[in-house]
Amino acid sequence: KAGVTQTPRYLIKTRGQQVTLSCSPISGHRSVSWYQQTPGQGLQFLFEYFSETQRNKGNFPGRFSGRQFSNSRSEMNVSTLELGDSALYLCASSLLAEQETQYFGPGTRLLVL
Amino acid sequence: KNEVEQSPQNLTAQEGEFITINCSYSVGISALHWLQQHPGGGIVSLFMLSSGKKKHGRLIATINIQEKHSSLHITASHPRDSAVYICAISGNQFYFGTGTSLTVIP
Repeated sequence: KAGVTQTPRYLIKTRGQQVTLSCSPISGHRSVSWYQQTPGQGLQFLFEYFSETQRNKGNFPGRFSGRQFSNSRSEMNVSTLELGDSALYLCASSLLAEQETQYFGPGTRLLVL
Repeated sequence: KNEVEQSPQNLTAQEGEFITINCSYSVGISALHWLQQHPGGGIVSLFMLSSGKKKHGRLIATINIQEKHSSLHITASHPRDSAVYICAISGNQFYFGTGTSLTVIP
């Protein structure tokens, strides 16, 4: 089975722009979670989607949003980028629930200039 | 306020040593996860625990729900175990520890 894939792997944007990141979960997995990792804050939970519905949300501003499609693929969007949004964005999938074993993708490294 | 505290932050060991990494948490959980992150970013889930003890090869994870504490043990450590080990708890959302950077010297 193919693992979790994320595209793009690297991205450079400027302040004020918006960005969309994509995550394809392991086939058959219905839960997709998104995380932000920075040197200062470490790993932080963004949100979790299950069957096209956002099930849980972390403490991030409304500029961070996401969605999940009927094939379980997920996208996250960050609008009006700030320098502090520079980070590694990871997604993880699990069969049914966030409380299950998470399978992580390789991440998208975003640099905001 | 940190929901998850890990110790130590950094750890250097000689090959073959027994290693313990500790994790304490302060909120109710559905499960506790131990993750491994190698340089370059890739994260692998090592264990998911809701009670008791799990073993996988040279790795052992334990959890004490009453004391809100978990430990990750590595027996007969090897240089390839060098990585960052992260404790995470899940309930309504994930909370992560700051990680333990382990270096195993040959």
